[in-house]
Parts: sequence; C-alpha cells; structure tokens
Amino acid sequence: NAGVMQNPRHLVRRRGQEARLRCSPMKGHSHVYWYRQLPEEGLKFMVYLQKENIIDESGMPKERFSAEFPKEGPSILRIQQVVRGDSAAYFCASSKTATNEKLFFGSGTQLSVL
Amino acid sequence: GESVGLHLPTLSVQEGDNSIINCAYSNSASDYFIWYKQESGKGPQFIIDIRSNMDKRQGQRVTVLLNKTVKHLSLQIAATQPGDSAVYFCAELSGANSKLTFGKGITLSVRP
Repeated sequence: NAGVMQNPRHLVRRRGQEARLRCSPMKGHSHVYWYRQLPEEGLKFMVYLQKENIIDESGMPKERFSAEFPKEGPSILRIQQVVRGDSAAYFCASSKTATNEKLFFGSGTQLSVL
Repeated sequence: GESVGLHLPTLSVQEGDNSIINCAYSNSASDYFIWYKQESGKGPQFIIDIRSNMDKRQGQRVTVLLNKTVKHLSLQIAATQPGDSAVYFCAELSGANSKLTFGKGITLSVRP
C-alpha cells in the first residue's frame, strides 16, 4: 500500500525556467493538498484539489503558480519563470475524505532555483 | 490574524526521560488538532489527533492534551528514544472546509 508519492525528490532550475512537481496520492484518496515549507518554517497551505477540480487555491500566489489534478495521472504543481524566492520544499498530501483530517504527506520535492 | 505557534524552538532531553512539547493556538473556533513529526528529508508524519470535545487522548507512548480554556495543546512522549529526534508540528483545523494550519515547529533532540 504505497503512500503519497512525489517526484522528483530534488529539482534544480535556473531563474526563468519552469518547474513541474508531481504528486500521486495514496490509493483510494481523491483529495490532494499542496504545501510549501521554507527552511525552519512550518508548512504553508497552497492549494486543495479534488479530481479535476480546484477547491481552494487561496494560498497560491496569483501569478506564475498553477495546479491541476486530472482525471487520470498525478497532480501537478507548476511554477513558471521561477525566481530564487521559489526555492523551498513542496509537500503534497492526500486524504480519503473532504474533511481535511489525517492528511498523509509525501516526502516532498526540494526545489532549488539558481 | 489567527495563528498557531510553539513556545520554544528547541527541546533537548535525555534518552529515557519524558518529553513535553507545547503549542498555543489563537483560533478559538478550531475544533480539530494534529501533531506531526518530521524527520530530516522527509514529509510530516501523523502522530496523533484530538477533537475539541476531548481534553486528552493517548496513543502508543504519546499523549495529547488539549486545554481549550487557555488554547493550549501539548504532546507528551514517554521514555523518549533517539528515534524521536525530529521536528514536531502542531496543526489546527477549524471547520470541515478550512485548511490545516501548521505551527512553526519545534526541534526535539534526544541525548544518549
């Protein structure tokens, strides 16, 4: 019973490039959440998606960031024209229900922008 | 604004001793709380949760206490082991459609 799978584990991009982070939720989970973590900080909510729908994107920057969770395949967090300030660990979590309880987290993607 | 915060950034304990990690929350409407453990290079791992209609919940070697009067949450780890060394986060949820809000985290260091 695989957990939440994220890839890549580490991603290095130069300023101005695009970053695509992938997340496959746990089997049977249709709710996906993306969080960002800066060094020595807590996790900050970015976006909550259910299959093919964005439920809450109140934590997403208005520009350059987008997320999707298609009917087939993993959820994708996309960052266009990355800047150094985007460097962080990005975690995906999934849950079975919409109550947002007992989130199960992946191991994260560490994004480094040069 | 509403926030979840931890009193101390680091905690050092002797192996075998009990650990107590404290957390203060400010949203009186929060009705669900979780403690997560995060080891280096890994994602947060669920430890234990508690609803606001309870004041204590026990797991294996861990106990969570909730004091709604002073909006305080604590995690007690019995007989702390080296494997307990990690960053611990408290998180709160207020309502079914709200987002899980994390505190800043506290580092637990276990001395052999």
